[in-house]
Amino acid sequence: QKEVEQDPGPLSVPEGAIVSLNCTYSNSAFQYFMWYRQYSRKGPELLMYTYSSGNKEDGRFTAQVDKSSKYISLFIRDSQPSDSATYLCAMRAGNNRKLIWGLGTSLAVNP
Amino acid sequence: EPEVTQTPSHQVTQMGQEVILRCVPISNHLYFYWYRQILGQKVEFLVSFYNNEISEKSEIFDDQFSVERPDGSNFTLKIRSTKLEDSAMYFCASSVDRANTEAFFGQGTRLTVV
Repeated sequence: QKEVEQDPGPLSVPEGAIVSLNCTYSNSAFQYFMWYRQYSRKGPELLMYTYSSGNKEDGRFTAQVDKSSKYISLFIRDSQPSDSATYLCAMRAGNNRKLIWGLGTSLAVNP
Repeated sequence: EPEVTQTPSHQVTQMGQEVILRCVPISNHLYFYWYRQILGQKVEFLVSFYNNEISEKSEIFDDQFSVERPDGSNFTLKIRSTKLEDSAMYFCASSVDRANTEAFFGQGTRLTVV
């Protein structure tokens, strides 16, 4: 089983839609969970991070972690064309700094 | 806004040659990282660096690779005797704290080995 799995999409939604992006993982030692946004030919940009289980909200973005199910989500409300990018989940255990990444989900928000 | 800068943006090299990829981390950051992303594949951790020494490295980071902080601002990745399969985007990142919860990434260097 792969450590982190993420559906690569592509996901296409109309402007204003609520977007749900997800990752599953197998390593129960993971404690830090991040979501990055990557525009074409650019470096990953940190959107949000969450420690352990729970929800975190920042503007139109909400990150959720369910450690019992080994499942994390990123919700984007009122999606905009500028949200069109690849969204990558990344995570790590508490005792090291090595980030393990998902493949990324390509999102297109259509005007 | 402070940012991680990488040079060059694109490097083409012949197989067997050595390349040096350069990074200038954010000035008050103490932890530095290299990642790579082969086209269509996941981002992969290569190495982390703190206090002038490697703190962690992946199985990818073998004797072909080395890192250095030659002065107070630059952080370099050297790849010796490049192979075709080294072609990838190489990202430098830095973080201010040990937790690496907020690592900031550079724009990447696209390395093409021909």
